[in-house]
Amino acid sequence: AQTVTQSQPEMSVQEAETVTLSCTYDTSESDYYLFWYKQPPSRQMILVIRQEAYKQQNATENRFSVNFQKAAKSFSLKISDSQLGDAAMYFCAYRSANYQLIWGAGTKLIIKP
Amino acid sequence: KAGVTQTPRYLIKTRGQQVTLSCSPISGHRSVSWYQQTPGQGLQFLFEYFSETQRNKGNFPGRFSGRQFSNSRSEMNVSTLELGDSALYLCASSSGTGIGSTEAFFGQGTRLTVV
Repeated sequence: AQTVTQSQPEMSVQEAETVTLSCTYDTSESDYYLFWYKQPPSRQMILVIRQEAYKQQNATENRFSVNFQKAAKSFSLKISDSQLGDAAMYFCAYRSANYQLIWGAGTKLIIKP
Repeated sequence: KAGVTQTPRYLIKTRGQQVTLSCSPISGHRSVSWYQQTPGQGLQFLFEYFSETQRNKGNFPGRFSGRQFSNSRSEMNVSTLELGDSALYLCASSSGTGIGSTEAFFGQGTRLTVV
């Protein structure tokens, strides 16, 4: 069975600085997708970034980028130029072959003004 | 394009009662998945429906059931409610096939409180 681990329950960063959130996973599948979702206080889950396992190139979406290390089964999220609106819970998720999302425990990101 | 709509947003039920939650996916999406989110267990997969058929099911007791209608709207039902069923229930929709199936769009959830 696949598992997703986020070892940082909480992280804080100064506004405008860069922060990296960690995620590791375990799987025996060779083809899969990984995601970072953001959940603000409104509770709606918002997709931040997606990575296909067969692509070696790291995904990037504006200020958000990932460091995908397939052999190490690591998938970290880097947020550059942090903004107050980035404050939220961040979840790492793995999509298995049977379409379900398997989630990490989440990291609460605090932005200090 | 309208997003994923979940109703109701909040519910308070008594132990032993049953409850039905509704999810209307994005127009054109045929896959609807349900997740339970609690502080203790985090996010857990309940089930996924595609074109009116349950395609996958998580490890939840039989008290949790669902269905999907021909217009892709989905309902989940929890019978004989227990205090531990108090949670945020999230619904996600996707196209269900091909590359589009990799992107799930979530509703705002239904907050269920069992007293």
